[in-house]
Amino acid sequence: DAKTTQPPSMDCAEGRAANLPCNHSTISGNEYVYWYRQIHSQGPQYIIHGLKNNETNEMASLIITEDRKSSTLILPHATLRDTAVYYCIVRVYNNNDMRFGAGTRLTVKP
Amino acid sequence: EAGVAQSPRYKIIEKRQSVAFWCNPISGHATLYWYQQILGQGPKLLIQFQNNGVVDDSQLPKDRFSAERLKGVDSTLKIQPAKLEDSAVYLCASSLFGSAGSEETQYFGPGTRLLVL
Repeated sequence: DAKTTQPPSMDCAEGRAANLPCNHSTISGNEYVYWYRQIHSQGPQYIIHGLKNNETNEMASLIITEDRKSSTLILPHATLRDTAVYYCIVRVYNNNDMRFGAGTRLTVKP
Repeated sequence: EAGVAQSPRYKIIEKRQSVAFWCNPISGHATLYWYQQILGQGPKLLIQFQNNGVVDDSQLPKDRFSAERLKGVDSTLKIQPAKLEDSAVYLCASSLFGSAGSEETQYFGPGTRLLVL
């Protein structure tokens, strides 16, 4: 079973920041938090991942709380092309089984 | 760099027929994964290969599903016989090494959409 909790859907205005929350209260010390997104009719696309520290790349920022029980994916300036299902995944340490939940459906509106 | 390739993109079959999907991972990637994604759900891992060996097939319905990666590159996933509940998107992914505990990223193909009537 997936070990993360995400809201089923969110809306965001184009040009504004999209903040997608994820709870992972049972995360263990060596487990990473990964974010993927899936645009309609495409395979999931890697966005970003982190262990303890906040991370930023050209697509997004990942903010992980100090106790690591939750995180937030931030898309700083959402565009219509960012409309997708966003998955927060806790990576099981001992293998590569990525346990996807149902994700958050983000709709960016003009 | 070319991505993960899958074919066919769409397939419609009748129940009890057989079907096969093909995947070509990113060049040099040792680890290959097959996922099943039912409508409205996230992908579920079916099987993981490291080179041509199976690492994890615990969630593969072995009575009807089979997969192989004979030369450690391309892979095929077969369903025989298909059931109505096998209607889903079948996704292939690959990663460079697939080492346990590593920070490796999985790269996904576009998927094969299967409809069983």
